[in-house]
Amino acid sequence: DTEVTQTPKHLVMGMTNKKSLKCEQHMGHRAMYWYKQKAKKPPELMFVYSYEKLSINESVPSRFSPECPNSSLLNLHLHALQPEDSALYLCASSQKRGSLGNQPQHFGDGTRLSIL
Amino acid sequence: GQQLNQSPQSMFIQEGEDVSMNCTSSSIFNTWLWYKQEPGEGPVLLIALYKAGELTSNGRLTAQFGITRKDSFLNISASIPSDVGIYFCAGLTGNQFYFGTGTSLTVIP
Repeated sequence: DTEVTQTPKHLVMGMTNKKSLKCEQHMGHRAMYWYKQKAKKPPELMFVYSYEKLSINESVPSRFSPECPNSSLLNLHLHALQPEDSALYLCASSQKRGSLGNQPQHFGDGTRLSIL
Repeated sequence: GQQLNQSPQSMFIQEGEDVSMNCTSSSIFNTWLWYKQEPGEGPVLLIALYKAGELTSNGRLTAQFGITRKDSFLNISASIPSDVGIYFCAGLTGNQFYFGTGTSLTVIP
C-alpha cells in the first residue's frame, strides 16, 4: 500500500473540460512532485514544490496548473488539454534534509488520464 | 537533461534464474535508488544506496553503489513470476533527481 494517495484513479475528459487531480501524503514530507509518464517510459518531472512553494516548473504548458494548499496536499488543475496529454500522472513526495537536499521520493499509484 | 542509461532494456527469463541489470551515468551521484513499477501502479522504492561501494540487500534483491559513483547494479536471485515489472534506477544529487530508461523484466513460469 502506498503512503501517497492520488485521486481519481482514472479520469476521462474532453478537451474543453476543467478537472483537477489530487494528491495527499501524511509522512511529513516537505517536497512534493508531479510527474507525467507515458507507457513503458520513465516518469518525466513536471513540477516540484518545496515547503509549499513552487520551486521547479519544467517548462510545462499553462494548461497544467499546480497548487499546494498545505504541506499534505498537492493539486494539478487541468484545462483545455490535448489528446497527447493522455498519460499516467504521478505524484511523489520526499523529505528535505537541508544541505543534503532531497531524499528518496515515494510515489502514489497515479491517475490514468485520457483526453477525448 | 541528465541521462541515466539502463541495460538491458528488456529481459525474458525462466523462473528460478538470477537477474542482473545496471545503470550508468556520465555524472556523479550522491544517492542511487532502485524502483519497481507494475502495471497500473506507481514506482515502488526497492533499495536506496548512499555511499560509494555500498552493497545493500532487500530479500532476494541486492544492489550496489558503484565505486566511481557513476553507476549502480541490481541483482535479483531465484526469480519468481511476481518479479515481473519495469525496474527503474534513479540518481539523486542535491535537489536533482533523474530516472533511468528502465529495464522490463518478464519471468516465464
